[in-house]
Amino acid sequence: GAGVSQTPSNKVTEKGKYVELRCDPISGHTALYWYRQSLGQGPEFLIYFQGTGAADDSGLPNDRFFAVRPEGSVSTLKIQRTERGDSAVYLCASSPIPLGLAGTTDTQYFGPGTRLTVL
Amino acid sequence: GENVEQHPSTLSVQEGDSAVIKCTYSDSASNYFPWYKQELGKRPQLIIDIRSNVGEKKDQRIAVTLNKTAKHFSLHITETQPEDSAVYFCAASERPGGSYIPTFGRGTSLIVHP
Repeated sequence: GAGVSQTPSNKVTEKGKYVELRCDPISGHTALYWYRQSLGQGPEFLIYFQGTGAADDSGLPNDRFFAVRPEGSVSTLKIQRTERGDSAVYLCASSPIPLGLAGTTDTQYFGPGTRLTVL
Repeated sequence: GENVEQHPSTLSVQEGDSAVIKCTYSDSASNYFPWYKQELGKRPQLIIDIRSNVGEKKDQRIAVTLNKTAKHFSLHITETQPEDSAVYFCAASERPGGSYIPTFGRGTSLIVHP
């Protein structure tokens, strides 16, 4: 079946603009994670959804960042008033169940990412 | 929160040699430790993981060891091949409020020379 997909693959915007990044998880995966990866760094956790609800949004850097998952499948990461420091690759990942649940086999499947460039 | 340190940042080996990447973590509550491989321009892919109730896990040429007392874990790749060249990330996951949130290391760029 299809893996995790993200659109757009590249997004160039100007400072101060609003952007939306979309993630289509693997069908049936209840857990969805957003990460941000800067050059030469590991992925940095932003927010985690279990179903439709944000179970943990402690990684969102500030209130300019917001994410939704209204029907428990597709998720959108929204960034308001973009700043140059927001430039990074935004990765989405999904897993069948919450990551690391004891006694289960789980794998977090990453999407290809959206490369955001804020000029 | 969790802090993960990963070493070395770059590792260069000859084909057929072994490669070892080490990570330390700070939060003793962490109990799930995945390793990811990321090729240039590609997405991270899970290659192996280990839980805190296990000291070692092996999958063909890849093995991971965990020392919970010392709070460090390592990735071992034997008989390296050029296609093993990639950036490898370790992660440690704690479970605040019931959800596992991984904290990643900064990555190790492994270069395998043919």
